[in-house]
Amino acid sequence: EAGVAQSPRYKIIEKRQSVAFWCNPISGHATLYWYQQILGQGPKLLIQFQNNGVVDDSQLPKDRFSAERLKGVDSTLKIQPAKLEDSAVYLCASSFSGGAGTEAFFGQGTRLTVV
Amino acid sequence: DQQVKQNSPSLSVQEGRISILNCDYTNSMFDYFLWYKKYPAEGPTFLISISSIKDKNEDGRFTVFLNKSAKHLSLHIVPSQPGDSAVYFCAASANNYGQNFVFGPGTRLSVLP
Repeated sequence: EAGVAQSPRYKIIEKRQSVAFWCNPISGHATLYWYQQILGQGPKLLIQFQNNGVVDDSQLPKDRFSAERLKGVDSTLKIQPAKLEDSAVYLCASSFSGGAGTEAFFGQGTRLTVV
Repeated sequence: DQQVKQNSPSLSVQEGRISILNCDYTNSMFDYFLWYKKYPAEGPTFLISISSIKDKNEDGRFTVFLNKSAKHLSLHIVPSQPGDSAVYFCAASANNYGQNFVFGPGTRLSVLP
């Protein structure tokens, strides 16, 4: 079974530029998550999708971050414009149903450096 | 306000001995707890979980204990192996919150040969 795929693996941009990350979840997984992991901290949820609907985006900085999952499969996360404090690893994860007792499977992440 | 805490940033253990990683939480609505292991340049991988209706779950060398009254859980690794050296994250979720996962800051385990 193929895992969660993310691209790119690494990205370096200047502040105020825009950037986009792509995620392909495990086939059949209805729930998709984007997490931000700053160095030395645990992953922090940015947004959770159930199929193509948003379940939770309460911690997404909506003035600069946006995410979509149009067909309920792939997802993109965009930052525009980027700030220095956005430097982090962006992790995509998916789970089968998002219901009780299910674990999330993570991709390798995209390491973003904003200079 | 951290809802999931791992107060030990790092832990060193001799190979063959027991590793005990601790986690505390504050939200009494959490009803499902997980441990993830993370190697450098990789995403976290699921290790073991426990539901709030249990107080212990065992899988091979890994055992998770849950003390609901103390809002505390721990991961025991016996015997510890050098390949267990990684960062371990405790995570918690509450079904009525849409099953999103709240992570602790992690504990870096080093198993010394």
